[in-house]
Amino acid sequence: GIQVEQSPPDLILQEGANSTLRCNFSDSVNNLQWFHQNPWGQLINLFYIPSGTKQNGRLSATTVATERYSLLYISSSQTTDSGVYFCAARGLTGGGNKLTFGTGTQLKVEL
Amino acid sequence: KAGVTQTPRYLIKTRGQQVTLSCSPISGHRSVSWYQQTPGQGLQFLFEYFSETQRNKGNFPGRFSGRQFSNSRSEMNVSTLELGDSALYLCASSLAVDSSTDTQYFGPGTRLTVL
Repeated sequence: GIQVEQSPPDLILQEGANSTLRCNFSDSVNNLQWFHQNPWGQLINLFYIPSGTKQNGRLSATTVATERYSLLYISSSQTTDSGVYFCAARGLTGGGNKLTFGTGTQLKVEL
Repeated sequence: KAGVTQTPRYLIKTRGQQVTLSCSPISGHRSVSWYQQTPGQGLQFLFEYFSETQRNKGNFPGRFSGRQFSNSRSEMNVSTLELGDSALYLCASSLAVDSSTDTQYFGPGTRLTVL
């Protein structure tokens, strides 16, 4: 099945800094999502982005499907951005709606 | 619209017992998927249900089972609990207009502790 890798595993930022999180996947995808997991465990949808670029406030994402990677940009980071960011993908083969998750990037934003 | 709801939120069981977790999808969503999250294995797919039928299954033993009702609500059951079953169990729902491209929305999870 598809493999999903995320980098870096950990990231510490000062408030106001910008960051880029990367997600590599091993197969062509028809579903790629970015999530933010808050301290209580809730996975919050950030982007559905199997290809192209999207922006939502201080967050934006780009997926280059032909090169099998996606990037999540966080600008002007705030302490509330802390948490774990997951990338999840569904490969073109296989049935149903199974998402394969990466191991996540643990982000800590400090004052 | 209300989001995905899961009950109970927290659960403590002892080894050998069984447990049933419940998930109510977003209104109108027809697909429900279950995932297990542990510190060691990360987020892993358990199974997916669509129209009361299991459509996809992950690599978990037969002690893990589930079902979906006609109103799309889903339950998962774990029998003969083991210490390693302690985890956060997450449920996700999607419209399933086109199952391969649907956005999945997650519930708050049920945190199961097995003693």
